[in-house]
Amino acid sequence: QVQLVESGGGLVKPGGSLRLSCAASGFTFSDYYMSWIRQAPGKGLEWVSYISSSGSTIYYADSVKGRFTISRDNAKNSLYLQMNSLRAEDTAVYYCAREAGICWGQGTLVTVSS
Amino acid sequence: DIVMTQTPLSLSVTPGQPASISCKSSQSLLHSDGKTYLYWYLQKPGQSPQLLIYEVSNRFSGVPDRFSGSGSGTDFTLKISRVEAEDVGVYYCMQSIQLPITFGQGTRLEIK
Repeated sequence: QVQLVESGGGLVKPGGSLRLSCAASGFTFSDYYMSWIRQAPGKGLEWVSYISSSGSTIYYADSVKGRFTISRDNAKNSLYLQMNSLRAEDTAVYYCAREAGICWGQGTLVTVSS
Repeated sequence: DIVMTQTPLSLSVTPGQPASISCKSSQSLLHSDGKTYLYWYLQKPGQSPQLLIYEVSNRFSGVPDRFSGSGSGTDFTLKISRVEAEDVGVYYCMQSIQLPITFGQGTRLEIK
């Protein structure tokens, strides 16, 4: 069955970096665009970034533009989010999702705190 | 950005009774391809969101038929014909016709 498994979250100081990964299985990964969506503690859902199936088209929310980089490796069925210059307001559970949310991973928690 | 506005923000329903959630978008979600890019999700306590309805009215695989979606243009509704205890959680509408993808604020459903 379709499965998305995120990893790479953790505690990081403001200004630091983290790289999130999402391992996909159960579908032809290279056929679908993928998204990162986050949820701050006790808050709603916020779309973060989009990457097309080939990786040639990428979009970011204004709140992360210039700091986050989305990428994918279709040979490894994997999606990534490189997060730099992290801020307290980036604290959230980060979900990878197929397309805009046909299916979601379990999420990985990123905490930005000194 | 397209703003998605849900009402009500919370709902308390007796099991077996119906429930309805409204979602209004600041722009039409009807694409030139004829599809309307409006989705409904349920996030149960402690879980990831799960897709209920795609493109306004299509139930996703495995979603019970007590859930239905309707609407057009900028006004949409999610209805639960008979609420069950397992329907507890937060319901979100979402648009993907235009980037950035945006979500409604969420509607919390509780059981009386």
